[in-house]
Amino acid sequence: EADIYQTPRYLVIGTGKKITLECSQTMGHDKMYWYQQDPGMELHLIHYSYGVNSTEKGDLSSESTVSRIRTEHFPLTLESARPSHTSQYLCASSEYTGINSPLHFGNGTRLTVT
Amino acid sequence: GESVGLHLPTLSVQEGDNSIINCAYSNSASDYFIWYKQESGKGPQFIIDIRSNMDKRQGQRVTVLLNKTVKHLSLQIAATQPGDSAVYFCAENIGTESGGGADGLTFGKGTHLIIQP
Repeated sequence: EADIYQTPRYLVIGTGKKITLECSQTMGHDKMYWYQQDPGMELHLIHYSYGVNSTEKGDLSSESTVSRIRTEHFPLTLESARPSHTSQYLCASSEYTGINSPLHFGNGTRLTVT
Repeated sequence: GESVGLHLPTLSVQEGDNSIINCAYSNSASDYFIWYKQESGKGPQFIIDIRSNMDKRQGQRVTVLLNKTVKHLSLQIAATQPGDSAVYFCAENIGTESGGGADGLTFGKGTHLIIQP
């Protein structure tokens, strides 16, 4: 079982609010990721990081931003939430070993913007 | 862009039977493939992976087959159990991790495996 934690598990918030989704991992992994997933659908990469002070945008355009000040922490922020942001957000991490290795996922934050 | 896809959105099998979940990928540059299981309300859980220099890899009750000629990936689950009920995703990555190499996995649409008693 991977040690990657996301909070909150569920969040219902009004339009225009600023929110931060938390993600922490205790495995010492350098690489971390944020994916967005609509119910029953595939995952889309929105952000990733190679390590501290590294952040990159993923394949899916997103109005969210991320930061990586500490290895274990990779929060995602929405400055002004909109109903179109309603989705599940999954955080993941992996080792940076020089070859591909599996991503370990948290259980996600299910966000509803009203 | 190119993406990984699955043939069936839903697969229903009898408990105790073997399950085969298929996935077609379109990017011939992909060299790493992985299967995830996602139960309701949870994040994807790693099942098994395979690199492009292999055709087959076995785990506990699971086997992944890779056919690079037709760009096809399959997951076989032996003696399917009720706990196998979940959505199964295949995913791919391109190249090795090195500086500006491909990052993150590209996921297919998922197959919902339903176990009938």
